[in-house]
Amino acid sequence: QSVLTQPPSASGTPGQRVTISCSGGSSNIGRKTVNWYQQVPGTAPKVLIFGNYQRPSGVPDRFSGSKSGTSAFLAISGLQSEDEADYYCAAWDDSLNAWVFGGGTKLTVL
Amino acid sequence: QVQLVQSGAEVRKPGASVKVSCKASGYTFTNYHMHWVRQAPGQGLEWMGIIDPSGGSTTFAQKFQGRVTMTRDTSTRTVYMELSSLTSGDTAVYYCARGLYDSSASNWFDPWGQGTLVTVSS
Repeated sequence: QSVLTQPPSASGTPGQRVTISCSGGSSNIGRKTVNWYQQVPGTAPKVLIFGNYQRPSGVPDRFSGSKSGTSAFLAISGLQSEDEADYYCAAWDDSLNAWVFGGGTKLTVL
Repeated sequence: QVQLVQSGAEVRKPGASVKVSCKASGYTFTNYHMHWVRQAPGQGLEWMGIIDPSGGSTTFAQKFQGRVTMTRDTSTRTVYMELSSLTSGDTAVYYCARGLYDSSASNWFDPWGQGTLVTVSS
């Protein structure tokens, strides 16, 4: 069981908006920033969002992040077939003194 | 460009050790920490620990303490992760990832190495 909780799957049709949630606690998301990683099967993860909502250069503005209390959210608008991948949230946990990840959400573009 | 290149796939028997390397290029090696993250087949990501290439200090996830060693060679810009007393549960892809930070104290991993598959089987 992962410290951060994500839905195992999400789906949408091209052009739709999809939101993936990440639920944690007071020792991680509640007091630390959240990062989101995209992993296309068979490849290494890539940072999508850092510091709750910041996008690295090169990441389309279709991807956005937010945080409220002990939960974080990744929104993908204008869904494209190339967005089909696994998405992971991550945050530092002050109690565990470790980085913790969500279990991952497999996004399917129908 | 910033790049992390890892060593090739390894096969080990239970009880053995494995050492994976991660060679950095395209940035000042000693300015950024390096993390190790693993991913078992079909599973999620698991953080193992971090090394500061400048002084060599390390911090490990409790789960791996006593079984993992992380070292670095500044002359070759390479970090190493060695895991001992391997079991089938250690079969995974092992990634190195550079730790980035900003003025707001946000930290994240970018980029990641291509991954090294370690298979533990008798």
